[in-house]
Amino acid sequence: NAGVTQTPKFRVLKTGQSMTLLCAQDMNHEYMYWYRQDPGMGLRLIHYSVGEGTTAKGEVPDGYNVSRLKKQNFLLGLESAAPSQTSVYFCASSFSSGSATDTQYFGPGTRLTVL
Amino acid sequence: EDKVVQSPLSLVVHEGDTVTLNCSYEVTNFRSLLWYKQEKKAPTFLFMLTSSGIEKKSGRLSSILDKKELFSILNITATQTGDSAVYLCAASRGGGATNKLIFGTGTLLAVQP
Repeated sequence: NAGVTQTPKFRVLKTGQSMTLLCAQDMNHEYMYWYRQDPGMGLRLIHYSVGEGTTAKGEVPDGYNVSRLKKQNFLLGLESAAPSQTSVYFCASSFSSGSATDTQYFGPGTRLTVL
Repeated sequence: EDKVVQSPLSLVVHEGDTVTLNCSYEVTNFRSLLWYKQEKKAPTFLFMLTSSGIEKKSGRLSSILDKKELFSILNITATQTGDSAVYLCAASRGGGATNKLIFGTGTLLAVQP
């Protein structure tokens, strides 16, 4: 049981390049989330998904797209990377939500640098 | 605007000391308060608190929530160097399709031998 995994662990992009970050979970969780973590800002929600085939915007969605084609995977895409997207990206998942018992479990993170 | 504020921002203690970390929140449709420990990688879950005044305990760590005064504390007794980490507090906001977590910026704890 690997929990939540993310690939890649590190990436350096040039401005304007595109890439996709992959998140996978083997806990049969319905809900999945993408966050970014920046110094002094805390974790901020980018996009989330409440089930296979559904996605929704979080707090800071601009410049990102997501897809949830399979229940266990949640992809985060950057179509045209900008230096402001330099950050550490965390994926999380939870069994359910809409109730108080919705603990989110986090992946190890992807450190992205955009030059 | 929803916000979660943690204090202090950083703390240096010696092994064996007891520390108290603070978290205050202003979140609409509040559901629960969560604490995470973040070392070099993923935040790992510590506690979820939903009721006021009921202490949750795990080994040397304990936490309590005050829903009237809108704060929570995390206590660590007999600190060890392995407790060195960033401790994150998050408030769960209900409504819509999913509860959302609003995170504080964290408290950096350094435990010196």
